[in-house]
Amino acid sequence: DGGITQSPKYLFRKEGQNVTLSCEQNLNHDAMYWYRQDPGQGLRLIYYSQIVNDFQKGDIAEGYSVSREKKESFPLTVTSAQKNPTAFYLCATDPADTGELFFGEGSRLTVL
Amino acid sequence: KQEVTQIPAALSVPEGENLVLNCSFTDSAIYNLQWFRQDPGKGLTSLLLIQSSQREQTSGRLNASLDKSSGRSTLYIAASQPGDSATYLCAVWANNLFFGTGTRLTVIP
Repeated sequence: DGGITQSPKYLFRKEGQNVTLSCEQNLNHDAMYWYRQDPGQGLRLIYYSQIVNDFQKGDIAEGYSVSREKKESFPLTVTSAQKNPTAFYLCATDPADTGELFFGEGSRLTVL
Repeated sequence: KQEVTQIPAALSVPEGENLVLNCSFTDSAIYNLQWFRQDPGKGLTSLLLIQSSQREQTSGRLNASLDKSSGRSTLYIAASQPGDSATYLCAVWANNLFFGTGTRLTVIP
């Protein structure tokens, strides 16, 4: 199946633990993004990558880290430094960095 | 900084009614505008993409218009159905994607 796969769909972690959310795509899209969605707020950009081995901070990068070792994969690590990590996380791709985004199904992280 | 606003935040209509969702943005220097649909607990599904040079796009019962000079876009849904119930988000691309907070639509059977 072609598309964007995010895993896990639901994740529960204790405070102070790092967690990594997976985002894999087989669309051969160059650009990949991570967004955070909270109730009543618009999507906020965490990190984005336009090419392998390169990524840029978005508006709310503090407490998060990413890597882009392969074109297909853009994992997001939520570190213990993130003050309020409970949220819905969305990964997206863009075939040519033109703003036409395609989204995965999301991962809901709950920190207990 | 670009700000995107969607009003109303929530809307309920009876089945069969035609309806309009609104999106406004503060900076007219955009490359495109995209309308998305989001079902509860799911990702975003792209509905329509309007390039800055275009005035409207249509897909089935959906029609989106763009007026860059006034900073507005509308999404028109004809003959609404209960399956149209979802949150609709608009986003403008200006070297980055700026999202509105969405309009939650409920179509009552």
